[in-house]
Amino acid sequence: SQQGEEDPQALSIQEGENATMNCSYKTSINNLQWYRQNSGRGLVHLILIRSNEREKHSGRLRVTLDTSKKSSSLLITASRAADTASYFCATEGQSGYSTLTFGKGTMLLVSP
Amino acid sequence: NAGVTQTPKFQVLKTGQSMTLQCAQDMNHEYMSWYRQDPGMGLRLIHYSVGAGITDQGEVPNGYNVSRSTTEDFPLRLLSAAPSQTSVYFCASSYQGGGNYGYTFGSGTRLTVV
Repeated sequence: SQQGEEDPQALSIQEGENATMNCSYKTSINNLQWYRQNSGRGLVHLILIRSNEREKHSGRLRVTLDTSKKSSSLLITASRAADTASYFCATEGQSGYSTLTFGKGTMLLVSP
Repeated sequence: NAGVTQTPKFQVLKTGQSMTLQCAQDMNHEYMSWYRQDPGMGLRLIHYSVGAGITDQGEVPNGYNVSRSTTEDFPLRLLSAAPSQTSVYFCASSYQGGGNYGYTFGSGTRLTVV
């Protein structure tokens, strides 16, 4: 069963606006990761946040993690048309073996 | 660095045929895994390996077989293809615990079973 659930399922914005995507998960985690997938392509790792971290930044990306609520958010600031893609959150459990459990993704459309 | 290389990129199989999806990485990652992605779904874990000679089942292992004889290679075998195995398959690798860079994914194999 899938661990993460992204919200919203689809998001449409204009260039220059900020995009916020949320992810909820069910069990305790070691870390949470966000990936981007362009249409017909593989997944690209964006950012990883560990369970003892609350916020992390990378360029125009800001990720927050609230382990008490089992939720995370991904903020993309000043969106560009090139940010159009599907975004997935994935959690790595505490079992000691490194496997990821993915949500169903948020499809982001950024219009020029 | 080539990263994670998957072959073939596209494949059409008839029901009952068998085939092997190849995956190779050149980053000396310990962990490798196979996922399938179906329309409107996230990725689901098929099998994974934490090192040469060690494999384990994921969420949807039925109908698939894996082996890991070297650190670099992690092939996925479809034993007797079924239409339900029509999907896009992704191979991924990582350092233990995901490191600071998460997983590296291949570009995928799009498989159609008719």
